Amino acid sequence: DAGVIQSPRHEVTEMGQEVTLRCKPISGHDYLFWYRQTMMRGLELLIYFNNNVPIDDSGMPEDRFSAKMPNASFSTLKIQPSEPRDSAVYFCASSWGTESGANVLTFGAGSRLTVL
Amino acid sequence: QKEVEQDPGPLSVPEGAIVSLNCTYSNSAFQYFMWYRQYSRKGPELLMYTYSSGNKEDGRFTAQVDKSSKYISLFIRDSQPSDSATYLCAMKRNQGGKLIFGQGTELSVKP
Repeated sequence: DAGVIQSPRHEVTEMGQEVTLRCKPISGHDYLFWYRQTMMRGLELLIYFNNNVPIDDSGMPEDRFSAKMPNASFSTLKIQPSEPRDSAVYFCASSWGTESGANVLTFGAGSRLTVL
Repeated sequence: QKEVEQDPGPLSVPEGAIVSLNCTYSNSAFQYFMWYRQYSRKGPELLMYTYSSGNKEDGRFTAQVDKSSKYISLFIRDSQPSDSATYLCAMKRNQGGKLIFGQGTELSVKP
């Protein structure tokens, strides 16, 4: 398996522009997670899905952020409009498990976003 | 107060040293405890995980969980320059898929 695939790896955009980050989870994994990593705040969970259904989006910072999972092999995280404080590395991770299990996550390589 | 606290370091040790990395937590409901390693400009990768209290050993790595003190540790014996990375602790309740991470400790092992 190629692992969790994220694109783009790097994105530089201007404030106010729409940003779309993409993720292909590992085949057979039924959980998908979006995390954001910054020096100041570390790795923060934004949202996670189980069987394509959003389960917990309490970490999504504000309405400018939205995430979708139209099928088991694809998810997007969209920021509209983007702001400089959104600059971070965004990680997608997937796992197989249950709500009461260990949920061992496999992470993608990340999408490094810079908003000017 | 954050649910999981971890000293960000940086921590610098000579090759061959024993390294101790630690996290404290406030939520007594956490049952699964994990350590992830993250190399520069890469995603985190799972190193070890334990369920509830106790020790777990894997080669040069030992994970310890003390639930009474809400304290977990990762020990690295005979540290190598290739161990230089950021180490993140992570925890999860029995119910719910949410995995909460510590800030990460940056480790540098000097040859």
